[in-house]
Amino acid sequence: GAVVSQHPSWVICKSGTSVKIECRSLDFQATTMFWYRQFPKQSLMLMATSNEGSKATYEQGVEKDKFLINHASLTLSTLTVTSAHPEDSSFYICSSQPLRGSYEQYFGPGTRLTVT
Amino acid sequence: AQSVTQLGSHVSVSEGALVLLRCNYSSSVPPYLFWYVQYPNQGLQLLLKYTSAATLVKGINGFEAEFKKSETSFHLTKPSAHMSDAAEYFCAVSRGSSNTGKLIFGQGTTLQVKP
Repeated sequence: GAVVSQHPSWVICKSGTSVKIECRSLDFQATTMFWYRQFPKQSLMLMATSNEGSKATYEQGVEKDKFLINHASLTLSTLTVTSAHPEDSSFYICSSQPLRGSYEQYFGPGTRLTVT
Repeated sequence: AQSVTQLGSHVSVSEGALVLLRCNYSSSVPPYLFWYVQYPNQGLQLLLKYTSAATLVKGINGFEAEFKKSETSFHLTKPSAHMSDAAEYFCAVSRGSSNTGKLIFGQGTTLQVKP
């Protein structure tokens, strides 16, 4: 089956530092990847859409200079939280879409970010 | 614009009882609808999807959902709850007139299964 991995699964960093989260589709190529953010006991909110080889599209209210997304290959997308602050602490989940326009997408296990 | 409302943030059932998780949607175009399950500190797993084919959709782990256009509903059911069904459940609608892959999620329903 389609497997999506995220690394790291959890990370603690100090305020002001940057953190990179990787999302990999292990056994398929993903033309599109999505990044979601989930606060405790809340739903997922789409942050951005990442297409291989092009700039990410950010949702309204998401700071593109703070949440840098790179989709360098068909199997890897990265989310970098720059100059992290405690309010950035959250659960970040990626999903990968094998074919653009397909309803199929597969979710990674998530990354728990805690900023102290 | 599309939206999803899950009625009941917390549902508690006894093991072996019927599970009913409610989801209502709003969409100006024919929707694609999904149910996902999330276990603690894990990503989402697709339970089932409606993509304009059969209105009664069967998914994994014995779950099914029925698309009712007249009621704008897509409720999730399972005849007999297992302890392992305890988790967070999300209803989602695909955003846009065509399937962009972007999903709008409901608020989630926590399912508790009592022995």
